[in-house]
Amino acid sequence: EPEVTQTPSHQVTQMGQEVILRCVPISNHLYFYWYRQILGQKVEFLVSFYNNEISEKSEIFDDQFSVERPDGSNFTLKIRSTKLEDSAMYFCASSLRGTRNSYNEQFFGPGTRLTVL
Amino acid sequence: QKEVEQDPGPLSVPEGAIVSLNCTYSNSAFQYFMWYRQYSRKGPELLMYTYSSGNKEDGRFTAQVDKSSKYISLFIRDSQPSDSATYLCAMSGGGKLIFGQGTELSVKP
Repeated sequence: EPEVTQTPSHQVTQMGQEVILRCVPISNHLYFYWYRQILGQKVEFLVSFYNNEISEKSEIFDDQFSVERPDGSNFTLKIRSTKLEDSAMYFCASSLRGTRNSYNEQFFGPGTRLTVL
Repeated sequence: QKEVEQDPGPLSVPEGAIVSLNCTYSNSAFQYFMWYRQYSRKGPELLMYTYSSGNKEDGRFTAQVDKSSKYISLFIRDSQPSDSATYLCAMSGGGKLIFGQGTELSVKP
C-alpha cells in the first residue's frame, strides 16, 4: 500500500540553525501539506502546496518557513533559523485532490520530531 | 470561540464497552468531517469521513454529523484493547484540515 514517508524521524538542532525536513508524498498525489503538533497540543495546519506554489498558509508559517518540491518526488520544509518554540512533531501529508468544495483524503506520514536546544 | 473543540480525556473503558467521542465546531462552512486515529509518536490515520449531516457505519465504528447543532460523534462498539489510541476529529471545507485536541482512549482488558 502506498504511503507517505518522512526523514529524518528525529532531528535535534541548536537554536538559530537551519533545518530541512523531508517528505516523499504518495506518487500520484498532487496536493501536499505540512502540519505540526507541539507536544500535548492540537495538530495544526502550516501550509498547502499545489502545482509548485503555496496555495494556502497559516499565520504560523512566517518568513522563517519555506517549502519546496525540488524534484518529482520530494517535498521539503525548511526552517531558516530555528527557535525553541519550533520544537514539535512535523507531519507531511498528501492528497489526490485538494480544491475547495471537494473531499480530499489526506494521507499522513509518520512525522519528524524536531527538538530545538 | 475555538473552531473545533474536543474533550482531551483521558477516557478509560473496559473491553467490550461502547465508546462515544464527540466534537463541536463553530464554522458552518465545514462540509467534510473526519475521524483520525493516532498512536503514540505516529502520524494520524484516517478512520472515517462523512460529508455533511448523517450517519456512516464501518464495522464497529459509526460516525454521526449533526450540522444544525455543529456536533459530530464517533461511536465504537465492542471496544478492544487495540482501540487504545488518541482519536482526532478533523474538519474541512476542502483544503486544509482543522483538528480537535484529540481524545486519549484506553480500553482495559
